[in-house]
Amino acid sequence: NAGVTQTPKFQVLKTGQSMTLQCAQDMNHNSMYWYRQDPGMGLRLIYYSASEGTTDKGEVPNGYNVSRLNKREFSLRLESAAPSQTSVYFCASSERGAPGNTIYFGEGSWLTVV
Amino acid sequence: DQQVKQNSPSLSVQEGRISILNCDYTNSMFDYFLWYKKYPAEGPTFLISISSIKDKNEDGRFTVFLNKSAKHLSLHIVPSQPGDSAVYFCAGLTGSYQLTFGKGTKLSVIP
Repeated sequence: NAGVTQTPKFQVLKTGQSMTLQCAQDMNHNSMYWYRQDPGMGLRLIYYSASEGTTDKGEVPNGYNVSRLNKREFSLRLESAAPSQTSVYFCASSERGAPGNTIYFGEGSWLTVV
Repeated sequence: DQQVKQNSPSLSVQEGRISILNCDYTNSMFDYFLWYKKYPAEGPTFLISISSIKDKNEDGRFTVFLNKSAKHLSLHIVPSQPGDSAVYFCAGLTGSYQLTFGKGTKLSVIP
């Protein structure tokens, strides 16, 4: 099982460029998430999708947009990248919300904005 | 304003001994607390959780203790093994979807 798959794994962008991080899960989960992790910091929630067709802001949504394309896929878009968005991005999914449903994380996407 | 604090960036323990990782929180609205383990270049993996109405939860070598009055929780790993060497994150859950993570503690288990 692939679990949660993110692409690309590494990306370098110039300030002002746009890009989309793709995420797909093969566990038939209802809920999906995007987190970012900065050096020496914990993960911070950017956006989440509780179920297909819904998206909600997390702790740090500014500068990002998301699309829940279907039940499997949840993409994160940077419209105009800024150096402050240099980070490691993690996509995650869970069967549904609440702690009884384990959140599974992808391996991460390393993004550098120069 | 850090709602979840892990004040020890690192911890070294001898193999076979107990590892104790600590976490403090300020948000009284957390319903659950979770511990995640992370290896380099991998995503975090879930370890164990505890409801805010409980004071202890145990799963094999891992036990989490919650002291609600002190707003403190700890993860005990007994016995510690070299494969436990990783970064451990404490997280608080509000509602059903929003996890707030601490900065993590890097555990090194020395053979």
